[in-house]
Amino acid sequence: NAGVTQTPKFQVLKTGQSMTLQCAQDMNHNSMYWYRQDPGMGLRLIYYSASEGTTDKGEVPNGYNVSRLNKREFSLRLESAAPSQTSVYFCASSPDRRGLAGGPGDEQFFGPGTRLTVL
Amino acid sequence: QKEVEQNSGPLSVPEGAIASLNCTYSDRGSQSFFWYRQYSGKSPELIMFIYSNGDKEDGRFTAQLNKASQYVSLLIRDSQPSDSATYLCAVTYKAAGNKLTFGGGTRVLVKP
Repeated sequence: NAGVTQTPKFQVLKTGQSMTLQCAQDMNHNSMYWYRQDPGMGLRLIYYSASEGTTDKGEVPNGYNVSRLNKREFSLRLESAAPSQTSVYFCASSPDRRGLAGGPGDEQFFGPGTRLTVL
Repeated sequence: QKEVEQNSGPLSVPEGAIASLNCTYSDRGSQSFFWYRQYSGKSPELIMFIYSNGDKEDGRFTAQLNKASQYVSLLIRDSQPSDSATYLCAVTYKAAGNKLTFGGGTRVLVKP
């Protein structure tokens, strides 16, 4: 099992350019997430998908769009990149027992990350 | 705003000693609690999870949860230089769809 994979590993964009970050998991997990991590700000949730066909905004969704292409894949799109979007982006997935009390299934597993610089 | 608080450190411990990390959270509805380890330039790696009050041990790691006092802690016994990393505390609450809320992390330095 590869776990959670992300492409690309590194990317440099100019202001106004667009790009899509790809994420895939092979653990048959229901839920998938996109985070950004900035120095001094910790990990912040951008968007998440509780199940195939659904997506919801997280803490910092402005400037981003997502697509849950199928159960395995969850992409993050920057339509018009801005320097404020310079960050490290992590994708994560979790089994999610949906509707049951806290317990096994809530844990999230992270991909290796994409380091994005917007000039 | 549901918050998770950690001392940013660095927490400096000698090799072989016990490292004790603490985390407090604001939402009494929190149900699942996690500790992640993150090496510099790498992604967070899940090392412990706990759902019930009390202690949970896994190798050199022990997680302790006290829901009444709203804190969760991580003990690292026999600390090794390879334990030098940032440790992130994270909690979920069902009402928010199991989304993780992360603390800012505690940086741990294990000195030989």
